[in-house]
Amino acid sequence: DAEITQSPRHKITETGRQVTLACHQTWNHNNMFWYRQDLGHGLRLIHYSYGVQDTNKGEVSDGYSVSRSNTEDLPLTLESAASSQTSVYFCASSEGGGPNTGELFFGEGSRLTVL
Amino acid sequence: GDSVTQMEGPVTLSEEAFLTINCTYTATGYPSLFWYVQYPGEGLQLLLKATKADDKGSNKGFEATYRKETTSFHLEKGSVQVSDSAVYFCALILNTGTASKLTFGTGTRLQVTL
Repeated sequence: DAEITQSPRHKITETGRQVTLACHQTWNHNNMFWYRQDLGHGLRLIHYSYGVQDTNKGEVSDGYSVSRSNTEDLPLTLESAASSQTSVYFCASSEGGGPNTGELFFGEGSRLTVL
Repeated sequence: GDSVTQMEGPVTLSEEAFLTINCTYTATGYPSLFWYVQYPGEGLQLLLKATKADDKGSNKGFEATYRKETTSFHLEKGSVQVSDSAVYFCALILNTGTASKLTFGTGTRLQVTL
């Protein structure tokens, strides 16, 4: 079965370190998204991509970067981790446009703690 | 900008009780509306959707009707079960082809007890 996987599922790091969260999907979806989930804020979009070599900033992109070198992967990098980036991060993917617009498939999440 | 407002939680109900979770939206165009559900320790998954006014989305006993006149998409279920305990997110997307991103509400936690 097609799926979307995130790794690591849990990570503890220190302020100032670089961290990369991996996201891999086998749906062959063009669209991929990174969200963070925080109490009281719901899900907020960090970065998204509509295809290989395409990346776009979301509403909370400061301190994060992504790259899309193939269809399957969209790694999220925290250049210099800050305590404010302690959160649960979700990767999602979807088909591009059409009747299934808005139907996202989510990974299980990566819980990041920055000390 | 586009936004979604959900009722504050948590909502605590006894098994077999009737559920309503309110959701209203603000959008500049004609959005499609969604309810996503997040079970403990998992990612979100699509529960139901409606793409135009007066459409009713339904799945697993849950229903929501797209009400353009009141800009609402309230989630209902006639008889909840303990297994329905989860966080429910209302969301919208503007149908602008591939340049479309979901806007989520803050989520409403539902706790169902025996």
